[in-house]
Amino acid sequence: AQSVTQLGSHVSVSEGALVLLRCNYSSSVPPYLFWYVQYPNQGLQLLLKYTSAATLVKGINGFEAEFKKSETSFHLTKPSAHMSDAAEYFCAVSDSWGKLQFGAGTQVVVTP
Amino acid sequence: DVKVTQSSRYLVKRTGEKVFLECVQDMDHENMFWYRQDPGLGLRLIYFSYDVKMKEKGDIPEGYSVSREKKERFSLILESASTNQTSMYLCASSLAGTNEKLFFGSGTQLSVL
Repeated sequence: AQSVTQLGSHVSVSEGALVLLRCNYSSSVPPYLFWYVQYPNQGLQLLLKYTSAATLVKGINGFEAEFKKSETSFHLTKPSAHMSDAAEYFCAVSDSWGKLQFGAGTQVVVTP
Repeated sequence: DVKVTQSSRYLVKRTGEKVFLECVQDMDHENMFWYRQDPGLGLRLIYFSYDVKMKEKGDIPEGYSVSREKKERFSLILESASTNQTSMYLCASSLAGTNEKLFFGSGTQLSVL
């Protein structure tokens, strides 16, 4: 079975500082990996997805993620946090049917 | 833009009531999903449908059923609501395939008293 583990349920960063959200996956086949973001009182929206075309994936709002097979990781980063990045972030892995298994989520708080 | 619409943003029901949560998508997507979201647990898949009248159980189907009579509509049914079904329910849809992104509705916050 495929699964993802997100390290850290809450992350606090200062405005302008690096954002790093950790995700490790477990999969018996080449994984399809995603990062989604949920802003307050909204549904989830896609930040980026790994397609195997490149190990460094760029997404919306300045986020990117790097796929590292040797570490079974797909960590999400943003060089400089904005107040608008305050949200909950979910890592997910897809199976052959397109069903997503989500991690528990990481709540990001951005302080001035 | 793809739109996934959930019929209610907030619902309050009593224990033992039959509850219907409705979801409609407007982009002719084959796949539709129902997840529930609880703090600290992320999203957990309840049921999944990959075609009209087709359904598959997810990770936590107990106490739930679904109906997909038309391609655009996917209903989640709580036959006899219980307090442990108080949660945020999220509907999503996608094209068929392994690497397709999901489009989510805004969610229904269900409280069972």
